[in-house]
Amino acid sequence: ELKVEQNPLFLSMQEGKNYTIYCNYSTTSDRLYWYRQDPGKSLESLFVLLSNGAVKQEGRLMASLDTKARLSTLHITAAVHDLSATYFCAVALATYKYIFGTGTRLKVLA
Amino acid sequence: DARVTQTPRHKVTEMGQEVTMRCQPILGHNTVFWYRQTMMQGLELLAYFRNRAPLDDSGMPKDRFSAEMPDATLATLKIQPSEPRDSAVYFCASGWWGGYNEQFFGPGTRLTVL
Repeated sequence: ELKVEQNPLFLSMQEGKNYTIYCNYSTTSDRLYWYRQDPGKSLESLFVLLSNGAVKQEGRLMASLDTKARLSTLHITAAVHDLSATYFCAVALATYKYIFGTGTRLKVLA
Repeated sequence: DARVTQTPRHKVTEMGQEVTMRCQPILGHNTVFWYRQTMMQGLELLAYFRNRAPLDDSGMPKDRFSAEMPDATLATLKIQPSEPRDSAVYFCASGWWGGYNEQFFGPGTRLTVL
């Protein structure tokens, strides 16, 4: 069975701290996507990772992909309240299909 | 600012009624996806179109759900008859097949079936 697992599922952190969200997947894939979803809103594309070793950074967020380990990470640096949201990773299969992770609900406390 | 649009944004209906949700993909995109999001199941793929052709609807309950793309600017998802367990947020996403295959999501339709 194809699985995409994220951990932690819930993360409460203080402003200014660093943390990493992990996305493990059970199938071969060389494309992985990260999305952000605010409560009651749609999914917003954050990063597209297209190859082994890919690293992308935007502001306080940095995503990386290790296709051999079947692992992607989303690192948060010096968290701020505005980063509070649910973060999803999605693994692309050889065709068109995404398999979405369970999501990580992040709450940044002032 | 190109975006996927969906209508209606909210829909409350009674069990047994027909529900139609509409999606306008981003101009120039040739793939359209319908997803359903619930707390219990997360994001589930219901249907996939490429160049307006339905290539995968294996995620849909066939007896009550149908998806069509009558033209390149309109995709529809219909539920008939609706049931309380269909209550969820339905997202449409569009993309370009052959590039990064990145999907861009619409705002969603929040459906409540009483």
